[in-house]
Amino acid sequence: GAGVSQTPSNKVTEKGKYVELRCDPISGHTALYWYRQSLGQGPEFLIYFQGTGAADDSGLPNDRFFAVRPEGSVSTLKIQRTERGDSAVYLCASSLRPGPSYEQYFGPGTRLTVT
Amino acid sequence: TQLLEQSPQFLSIQEGENLTVYCNSSSVFSSLQWYRQEPGEGPVLLVTVVTGGEVKKLKRLTFQFGDARKDSSLHITAAQPGDTGLYLCAGVSRYFGNEKLTFGTGTRLTIIP
Repeated sequence: GAGVSQTPSNKVTEKGKYVELRCDPISGHTALYWYRQSLGQGPEFLIYFQGTGAADDSGLPNDRFFAVRPEGSVSTLKIQRTERGDSAVYLCASSLRPGPSYEQYFGPGTRLTVT
Repeated sequence: TQLLEQSPQFLSIQEGENLTVYCNSSSVFSSLQWYRQEPGEGPVLLVTVVTGGEVKKLKRLTFQFGDARKDSSLHITAAQPGDTGLYLCAGVSRYFGNEKLTFGTGTRLTIIP
């Protein structure tokens, strides 16, 4: 069955470059979440979309990070002027509706390495 | 900032042994979830506990939510190599009509055949 997919699976970029990470949620899921997981740590919340709008972006670390979901389906996480500290696995999850009554299904993640 | 500390951070035991993983916080959560994550994959939900003192069983796994809804434990009986993975607890908090997951620091479990 079609789960959450993320592309690319791996991205290596140089410090200062711009990157885009894509998430394709499960069809029909209205809620979409982005998390960042550093090595040896649990995922850290970044942003959550309900439909096309960002319902909560309080986890974005600074203004170099931005995410969009223009048609309420696919989402793109954008990072400007990347720094070595941005290296991590970026996870996307979707759920049928927002809230823990609805299970979040996670994608395999995009491993970002900033050199 | 809400923090969820898990212990132990790493655990390596022989097949057939029992083990307990702990998840502790100074914050109260409306519910708590446990996930398992394997290398190269995202976390997969195992269980959600909602009521203080609640105990849920999933085959050989027993999950308990603390009475004060600040802590939780995961007990595995007769561990098997297939139980190997990263176990994550996640506290659910409600605010302004939204709900947010705060993940713990993780416990990396290795079961030796």
